[in-house]
Amino acid sequence: KQEVTQIPAALSVPEGENLVLNCSFTDSAIYNLQWFRQDPGKGLTSLLLIQSSQREQTSGRLNASLDKSSGRSTLYIAASQPGDSATYLCAVDNAGNMLTFGGGTRLMVKP
Amino acid sequence: NAGVMQNPRHLVRRRGQEARLRCSPMKGHSHVYWYRQLPEEGLKFMVYLQKENIIDESGMPKERFSAEFPKEGPSILRIQQVVRGDSAAYFCASSPVSSTGGNQPQHFGDGTRLSIL
Repeated sequence: KQEVTQIPAALSVPEGENLVLNCSFTDSAIYNLQWFRQDPGKGLTSLLLIQSSQREQTSGRLNASLDKSSGRSTLYIAASQPGDSATYLCAVDNAGNMLTFGGGTRLMVKP
Repeated sequence: NAGVMQNPRHLVRRRGQEARLRCSPMKGHSHVYWYRQLPEEGLKFMVYLQKENIIDESGMPKERFSAEFPKEGPSILRIQQVVRGDSAAYFCASSPVSSTGGNQPQHFGDGTRLSIL
């Protein structure tokens, strides 16, 4: 059974810092991995999707890496801004089209 | 280009009543997924449907819960005889084809917050 863990559970940083969010998963036989952002009371916004054959994906200030063999992914956020404050979720797709989610990292970027 | 639409956004029911949650996938998407987010817990998969077919319902509670995705109209998640423990946020996602094995992310709606009195 796939298990996804995100560390840290919460993070508070001053504006402008570069930061790294971590995601680990127990079953490396994944099809893809997605990073999402969730704002309070809102749904999930897909940030990046990394297919199993890829090592990283970039979108603006975000860069996500994937190391399937070690069961790890990181989300790097450059030059953080207060608008980046949200919960960031990592989810893996093993098979059968279900996503298995981590518990999330609650990020607070202080002005 | 409207995203995944869920309604209602908030639903209040008394114990024993029925709750119906609706989800209209993005235009051109024929695959629908339902997830539940219990308070202080992560999102958990419930069911995966294509038009008129339930493909995987391994995450659905065995009793009181059902889902459908008819040929016409939205997908419906139905909870009969609700109990306090059903209070949660229910999210629907859609994709144009199977998300497994491809580069098609699941797109999520804003969810329905169900509160049981």
